Amino acid sequence: EVQLVESGGGVVRPGGSLRLSCAASGFTFDDHAMSWVRQAPGKGLEWVSGINWNGGSTGYADSVKGRFTISRDNAKNSLYLQMNRLRAEDSALYYCARDVYRTGWYYFDYWGQGTLVTVSS
Amino acid sequence: EIVLTQSPGTLSLSPGERATLSCRASQSVSSSYLAWYQQKPGQTPRLLIYGISSRATGIPDRFSGSGSGTDFTLTISRLEPEDFAVYYCQQYGNSPLTFGGGTKVEIK
Repeated sequence: EVQLVESGGGVVRPGGSLRLSCAASGFTFDDHAMSWVRQAPGKGLEWVSGINWNGGSTGYADSVKGRFTISRDNAKNSLYLQMNRLRAEDSALYYCARDVYRTGWYYFDYWGQGTLVTVSS
Repeated sequence: EIVLTQSPGTLSLSPGERATLSCRASQSVSSSYLAWYQQKPGQTPRLLIYGISSRATGIPDRFSGSGSGTDFTLTISRLEPEDFAVYYCQQYGNSPLTFGGGTKVEIK
């Protein structure tokens, strides 16, 4: 059974940092690109960042470019999102999502339950 | 970036009725790279349709997708009680990936 379990969320002050993690199991992790998708309370979905199967290619939404960094450790079956210079508008539930393909970010067939990030003073 | 606009914002229908949801893109979506997801309250999104019209594994055939270029449609032929949810379109032909704002299908 495919499982994606996010962790690392919490309350942080504006300008602060957080590192999110996603532990994957039940599938061959390096057969898939991965992404982070967020959803502010009561709002829609927003793609944040994606990474291909070996970490050689990454992409970011304009809203987070230069502040967030996506990475993965295939030996640990884990995906990460380093979030720096956080803003109030980054507050959301952050989902880890499995891409159907290896090579880039396309569409997502499995999603974790999410980890909540709240940026507030 | 490609902006996806979904309409209507809310669709009020009864079980058994047909639902037609629209997704319009600000520019042509490359290579038919459009997907649809369903999200119920407190749940994660569920992939319904990819490549405009291909159903994901386990999705019943009352769900169908159509369209091309900039105009796309998700149709639910006969609404079942479990179909009342929010639906999102997503394009993956251009980076950054973008989602529409969602259409809520509610019980009338």
